[in-house]
Amino acid sequence: DADVTQTPRNRITKTGKRIMLECSQTKGHDRMYWYRQDPGLGLRLIYYSFDVKDINKGEISDGYSVSRQAQAKFSLSLESAIPNQTALYFCATRTLIGEAFFGQGTRLTVV
Amino acid sequence: AQTVTQSQPEMSVQEAETVTLSCTYDTSESNYYLFWYKQPPSRQMILVIRQEAYKQQNATENRFSVNFQKAAKSFSLKISDSQLGDTAMYFCAFSSGSRLTFGEGTQLTVNP
Repeated sequence: DADVTQTPRNRITKTGKRIMLECSQTKGHDRMYWYRQDPGLGLRLIYYSFDVKDINKGEISDGYSVSRQAQAKFSLSLESAIPNQTALYFCATRTLIGEAFFGQGTRLTVV
Repeated sequence: AQTVTQSQPEMSVQEAETVTLSCTYDTSESNYYLFWYKQPPSRQMILVIRQEAYKQQNATENRFSVNFQKAAKSFSLKISDSQLGDTAMYFCAFSSGSRLTFGEGTQLTVNP
């Protein structure tokens, strides 16, 4: 089983719909992250969390929210999806020195 | 804020040849880590190599090595004896404190 698991792997949704992307990990890391990948832009940080009571905005948090339900679970929500949120989304955990372990990614398409 | 720049959006190399991917970064910090990640068409992110800024010796992992120039804030990746399986998007990343910042990526194609 993968150390970092994202669900779903692919999703098509309509504009205005609420959608949640889920992430769970068995690495035992406290630090969890959500990134968005777009062609030519690399991976950009949406939100990150150091524990269930510590949630921090990244560089592109507008239009997104997160929930850290437990040390092992970190979900990302789009409250009202819009087409420019179409992207590849990654959840990751990190060690203290910064090495990241990624989920398989969620390809989200908003139509 | 830290920034990471990869100035080569696309590169190609012949199988068995050597290729170098460039990365520069900007930071005022002295303690940090640098990484190269590979993303094949499967889209999985795979760690290729890691460099600690306090180490002067360049990191090496089999066919992969880096040229770390701390004063110039440069961190290039050299792939020797390129293989078809090296075809992927490569991301340079900078880590310090709470953040892990990525470059834009370089799409490498290895041709037979």
